[in-house]
Amino acid sequence: GAVVSQHPSRVICKSGTSVKIECRSLDFQATTMFWYRQFPKQSLMLMATSNEGSKATYEQGVEKDKFLINHASLTLSTLTVTSAHPEDSSFYICSARGTEGRNSNQPQHFGDGTRLSIL
Amino acid sequence: RKEVEQDPGPFNVPEGATVAFNCTYSNSASQSFFWYRQDCRKEPKLLMSVYSSGNEDGRFTAQLNRASQYISLLIRDSKLSDSATYLCVVNMNTGGFKTIFGAGTRLFVKA
Repeated sequence: GAVVSQHPSRVICKSGTSVKIECRSLDFQATTMFWYRQFPKQSLMLMATSNEGSKATYEQGVEKDKFLINHASLTLSTLTVTSAHPEDSSFYICSARGTEGRNSNQPQHFGDGTRLSIL
Repeated sequence: RKEVEQDPGPFNVPEGATVAFNCTYSNSASQSFFWYRQDCRKEPKLLMSVYSSGNEDGRFTAQLNRASQYISLLIRDSKLSDSATYLCVVNMNTGGFKTIFGAGTRLFVKA
């Protein structure tokens, strides 16, 4: 159980392209999904918290107009990197937490990650 | 001071060794605790939850000490496949739910 699917797993595209990444919870409903970015040999960095049916909450220093998040259903959140540039190249990972009780005691389950390379 | 602190390592141990990782957290509002494992260029995977009563899963034992705000992970009889980064993760409620990840402890198990 608790499977999170992330797609695509790898993207290579030209500078200026917008890239959309999907995160799906396959066997559970997720009111909350999280988007992280990780640079080589560094820790996970939380970018934003995505809540179903409401606006995402962005961490300090993350541009909401650059990283568009949509969480339209209990099983799907999308992250769109708009007009991507080489400095946006990174490993993007989503995670989801179940809806069992409105408490924080559930662990997060991660998608496989998306490796984004902007040329 | 970081909210969740771990020894970054790396820990270099031979196969069969017992290795222990420690993690401290600073916020007493922390409610639930987990250890994750992350392999190179992969996503983190949940290893186990951590309870005050202790939690054992095969060669892995996790322990929580709320009074000291300290979490541990013990790996017995280390295997080559245990080589990874181990992340200490804390969920807390500080007026809103928040999950804090430790920076991770790198483990190398060598033949």
